[in-house]
Amino acid sequence: QQPVQSPQAVILREGEDAVINCSSSKALYSVHWYRQKHGEAPVFLMILLKGGEQKGHDKISASFNEKKQQSSLYLTASQLSYSGTYFCGTSNQGGKLIFGQGTELSVKP
Amino acid sequence: KAGVTQTPRYLIKTRGQQVTLSCSPISGHRSVSWYQQTPGQGLQFLFEYFSETQRNKGNFPGRFSGRQFSNSRSEMNVSTLELGDSALYLCASSLPSGGEETQYFGPGTRLLVL
Repeated sequence: QQPVQSPQAVILREGEDAVINCSSSKALYSVHWYRQKHGEAPVFLMILLKGGEQKGHDKISASFNEKKQQSSLYLTASQLSYSGTYFCGTSNQGGKLIFGQGTELSVKP
Repeated sequence: KAGVTQTPRYLIKTRGQQVTLSCSPISGHRSVSWYQQTPGQGLQFLFEYFSETQRNKGNFPGRFSGRQFSNSRSEMNVSTLELGDSALYLCASSLPSGGEETQYFGPGTRLLVL
């Protein structure tokens, strides 16, 4: 079953923060986050495995709450380069990776 | 290391025809997954191949098929094309497992069915 992402779209000014949520109705083993810029292939951001750990690099981080079966992606002090569509992909261990519908993020100067 | 490559990059076909798309994974990667991306449906999983065997399958009709060769290169075939098959087809490669390993996407093949 496809995970549900919210919001569907968000517009930010440079320097503002954003949170993108990804929820699943099934038990999760891992959550993957990707960013896709227009006309390009999705690019890997990070994987979170079952265990609730939070990961991050630079000003982008994510958490995974396996009890709630959801993950959140945090973008702080957004930059113009953060613009794109963010996808979460969920897996139930060794299975296929199912992606959410995507969240379109636009960062304006 | 060279990234995932897909050929052709663009393709125009007419209804009823068939098409074959090719994907060469990153060297050393043994798992290849295929996705269909459309504006309305997002990224839809088609199938995953590992060691020449289909390991996972999405909810697509039998017109969509694939295979993987001993060098891990993969092809997908769509027979009896329909207008709704117009999409960007992405393949992604990863190390042993497609589930927990990072998937690296190719640039995609954009298919237009007229």
